[in-house]
Amino acid sequence: DGGITQSPKYLFRKEGQNVTLSCEQNLNHDAMYWYRQDPGQGLRLIYYSQIVNDFQKGDIAEGYSVSREKKESFPLTVTSAQKNPTAFYLCASSRAAEAFFGQGTRLTVV
Amino acid sequence: AQSVTQLDSQVPVFEEAPVELRCNYSSSVSVYLFWYVQYPNQGLQLLLKYLSGSTLVKGINGFEAEFNKSQTSFHLRKPSVHISDTAEYFCAVSEGNAGNMLTFGGGTRLMVKP
Repeated sequence: DGGITQSPKYLFRKEGQNVTLSCEQNLNHDAMYWYRQDPGQGLRLIYYSQIVNDFQKGDIAEGYSVSREKKESFPLTVTSAQKNPTAFYLCASSRAAEAFFGQGTRLTVV
Repeated sequence: AQSVTQLDSQVPVFEEAPVELRCNYSSSVSVYLFWYVQYPNQGLQLLLKYLSGSTLVKGINGFEAEFNKSQTSFHLRKPSVHISDTAEYFCAVSEGNAGNMLTFGGGTRLMVKP
């Protein structure tokens, strides 16, 4: 089946550590996105990429980094510079004005 | 820049009653409009979308929405809700000249009571 796969589903991080969230899609979409979701809030855009080897900062990029070396993959690294990383992270891909979402990764700082 | 406002953060409703979830947007260009549903600890699933054409759009699970350009609104409706409709609903907008990037509203939690 075509879709977007995020892994892991749950992730625990110690303070000061970097962690990388995986996002893979087999929909052949050019555009991919990372969103952060906090309780009771909407989705906020972290980074997006509209083509391989190119990506742009979204509204809340500080403390995060991404790469887009392959069309299928758009991993997100949450660095130690991110002050409050505990949140639900959603990856999406899109084509023709419709976005498809993965099942999310819940990151908790312990 | 585009923005989306969902006027109600929570909407409690009894089972089999009608419901309307409100969404207003602001944009200086033509837009595409979407409603997504999110069940706990899951990703977002597309309910319906407006790209062009008829302003009344029908989606999955019996939901529909009407695009009103003069009022810049895209309210979501269902004539009779079920317990299984309990979820978070997000309205989103994509501008025609901004690729496919979506801007989301803050979400509305629909709580269906027996």
